[in-house]
Amino acid sequence: DQQVKQNSPSLSVQEGRISILNCDYTNSMFDYFLWYKKYPAEGPTFLISISSIKDKNEDGRFTVFLNKSAKHLSLHIMPSQPGDSAVYFCAASVTNDYKLSFGAGTTVTVRA
Amino acid sequence: DAGVTQSPTHLIKTRGQQVTLRCSPKSGHDTVSWYQQALGQGPQFIFQYYEEEERQRGNFPDRFSGHQFPNYSSELNVNALWLGDSALYLCASSLSGGGYYGYTFGSGTRLTVV
Repeated sequence: DQQVKQNSPSLSVQEGRISILNCDYTNSMFDYFLWYKKYPAEGPTFLISISSIKDKNEDGRFTVFLNKSAKHLSLHIMPSQPGDSAVYFCAASVTNDYKLSFGAGTTVTVRA
Repeated sequence: DAGVTQSPTHLIKTRGQQVTLRCSPKSGHDTVSWYQQALGQGPQFIFQYYEEEERQRGNFPDRFSGHQFPNYSSELNVNALWLGDSALYLCASSLSGGGYYGYTFGSGTRLTVV
């Protein structure tokens, strides 16, 4: 059962523009959300996270927004750079749980 | 500072065989989690080991088993391989009490079952 869904398998954006990646979840118990970035032949690396007590978290060019009522979160990358071309995974968990539930990923391609 | 090391990087096995994958955690980390990433899907949690015990298990059959050694390294064993076990197997290490907080992932082992 896919509790975390990333419905856009790919996204192409021009360098300097904003990339918006979306993620939906079905488990209302999730209270912590993370985004990971993955380059080919490498493991996922942590990008940014947000707790359910917040609706926004920023870290440099990366901002994550959480809409709990809609069970939806999004990752904004602004401005997009060629090095941002990668697969981005949305993940979620419940406090005191030890596992992450991942979405299927969105492949971002930043065009020069 | 070495990150998470997984071996081997690639492996081809025949249906019905058994396989062992290995993971050395990042220096200072004592907790190891294993994930299976099938083609076109996100990583799926298999189990987590802490203090040489399986602390939590995902929705995987008993054919999947693991072990953690006193030096915190870990093995993932899969018996009676199916074609559907073909996937990238990711190991993630972290600090105790953190669960998934501060996960560091390895590059994975690509298992192909023929």
